[in-house]
Amino acid sequence: AQKVTQAQTEISVVEKEDVTLDCVYETRDTTYYLFWYKQPPSGELVFLIRRNSFDEQNEISGRYSWNFQKSTSSFNFTITASQVVDSAVYFCALSDAGGTSYGKLTFGQGTILTVHP
Amino acid sequence: NAGVTQTPKFQVLKTGQSMTLQCAQDMNHEYMSWYRQDPGMGLRLIHYSVGAGITDQGEVPNGYNVSRSTTEDFPLRLLSAAPSQTSVYFCASSIFPGYSYEQYFGPGTRLTVT
Repeated sequence: AQKVTQAQTEISVVEKEDVTLDCVYETRDTTYYLFWYKQPPSGELVFLIRRNSFDEQNEISGRYSWNFQKSTSSFNFTITASQVVDSAVYFCALSDAGGTSYGKLTFGQGTILTVHP
Repeated sequence: NAGVTQTPKFQVLKTGQSMTLQCAQDMNHEYMSWYRQDPGMGLRLIHYSVGAGITDQGEVPNGYNVSRSTTEDFPLRLLSAAPSQTSVYFCASSIFPGYSYEQYFGPGTRLTVT
């Protein structure tokens, strides 16, 4: 069975600090995809990144970067020089080839990030 | 493109009432799904559809029905609302069924059952 754990329930930082959101996953499949979504206070879910299990290259997009390590089953998300607009709930999710629900996303519990000015 | 739209944004129901949450997408996506979001539990899959006329159950389907008569629309029906169905409901779509495609979410419907 798939499982995603985001151990940090809430994180509070001051603007310009770097912050890392942890994500650990479990799956029996060798083929899977990992995702990060952002849920700002307005409530919608915004897709941030998709990573497949065969690509362990780290990815950087502006102030965002993702570190995927299969050896530790982790897919961590770092925000560099955080800003107040980064305040949101961040979800890590997993989708694998073995599930019976095509495209089912298994979500972590979410991490509430608050960036103070 | 409006993307994925959901109506209503907010709804209050009494126990035992029925209602339909509407979801539509204008991206010609084959795959559509419904999730519910509860505090501390992330999002959980209720029902999904891999194309018009085809639906199936997800992780938490009890108390909900779906149908998919067109590619664009995927309504979620609550048959007899219960307080345990108080939640935020999200509809999502992706271009094709499958685990590799990112899903696009609607703005959500906040439902309270009293």
